[in-house]
Amino acid sequence: AQRVTQPEKLLSVFKGAPVELKCNYSYSGSPELFWYVQYSRQRLQLLLRHISRESIKGFTADLNKGETSFHLKKPFAQEEDSAMYYCALSGRSYNTDKLIFGTGTRLQVFP
Amino acid sequence: DAGVTQSPTHLIKTRGQQVTLRCSPKSGHDTVSWYQQALGQGPQFIFQYYEEEERQRGNFPDRFSGHQFPNYSSELNVNALLLGDSALYLCASSFLGQVVLGEQYFGPGTRLTVT
Repeated sequence: AQRVTQPEKLLSVFKGAPVELKCNYSYSGSPELFWYVQYSRQRLQLLLRHISRESIKGFTADLNKGETSFHLKKPFAQEEDSAMYYCALSGRSYNTDKLIFGTGTRLQVFP
Repeated sequence: DAGVTQSPTHLIKTRGQQVTLRCSPKSGHDTVSWYQQALGQGPQFIFQYYEEEERQRGNFPDRFSGHQFPNYSSELNVNALLLGDSALYLCASSFLGQVVLGEQYFGPGTRLTVT
């Protein structure tokens, strides 16, 4: 079964502290993994994708196929990082980009 | 470009009624996907439309149906509404020809409340 698990509903840190939002997945095949973010009163938007191996707003995520994980990390959290973060996967199916989302983790960064 | 737009913003319906939600994709996009987001949950895939046909469907009953028009806009219809259909309905658009799968642009959503 295709599934994305985000074990933490809420993660609270102080500004400048490191952040790690956990994501584990279950997928029989080669998934594409993504992190989407929703800031307060804004729409859901793509933060980063594993295939690009990019760093966006200081966030990085490494796909670990052995542990089936795609944790999101940032060495020094900022107050503007406070948001809802969703891990999502998409299968390498022909002509479809259906996304399977986790339940999300709310990140609160205190000053 | 206003991005993905959805209407209405909010909707209140009674059990058993029918509802139609509308979505206009981002300019240049040809594919529309619909998601249901219940409170405290992540978005769940309902179905996807491309070239006016349903390409893939999630685990939702036939009460959920859709349509895509020649201008790529889309409608989501839900018949015989249940209390459990209360949720935020998200529309997302993408371009099927894009190299990297998965980047979808989301609308602000329609909040449906069934009483």
